[in-house]
Amino acid sequence: AQKVTQAQTEISVVEKEDVTLDCVYETRDTTYYLFWYKQPPSGELVFLIRRNSFDEQNEISGRYSWNFQKSTSSFNFTITASQVVDSAVYFCALSGETSGSRLTFGEGTQLTVNP
Amino acid sequence: DVKVTQSSRYLVKRTGEKVFLECVQDMDHENMFWYRQDPGLGLRLIYFSYDVKMKEKGDIPEGYSVSREKKERFSLILESASTNQTSMYLCASSLGPTTTYEQYFGPGTRLTVT
Repeated sequence: AQKVTQAQTEISVVEKEDVTLDCVYETRDTTYYLFWYKQPPSGELVFLIRRNSFDEQNEISGRYSWNFQKSTSSFNFTITASQVVDSAVYFCALSGETSGSRLTFGEGTQLTVNP
Repeated sequence: DVKVTQSSRYLVKRTGEKVFLECVQDMDHENMFWYRQDPGLGLRLIYFSYDVKMKEKGDIPEGYSVSREKKERFSLILESASTNQTSMYLCASSLGPTTTYEQYFGPGTRLTVT
């Protein structure tokens, strides 16, 4: 069975602070994929990144960066110099060769960035 | 850009009514999914479909059915709505079927059953 754990239920920061959202996963699959989604107050989940299990390079996209470490089964997401518009619920998700296109989602982390 | 649309943003129905939630995607995706999202329970998969007229049960299919007559359209049906089906319903689509691609989500339908 696959499992995704986002231990941080809620995080509150002040604008311009850096913030890291943790994601720990469990899977027995050799080939698997990890995802991050953002859900702003409007409700629509927005895809941010997909990473496969064979690519452990860190990824940076503007103020967003992702750290994938297979040794600790973690796929953490850092927002640098946070902004009020970053306030949202962030979901980490996992799929693997045994689950096909189905995603297993974590419970989500509510990030609030205060001005 | 991938566009997934859902027929209603908000819907209010009475207990026992038959409810149809429609989802349309415009990117020729093979896979389509229906989730419900509830506070404290996260996103739970109800049904998904890999192709026209094909469907697979997700984690919580009880009380729901689906229909996929055309590739771009995936409907969720509540045969007899109950108050415990009050929830946010999210539709998604992805390329497939042999590789795992990211899912793209619609704006959601907030259904209230009274």
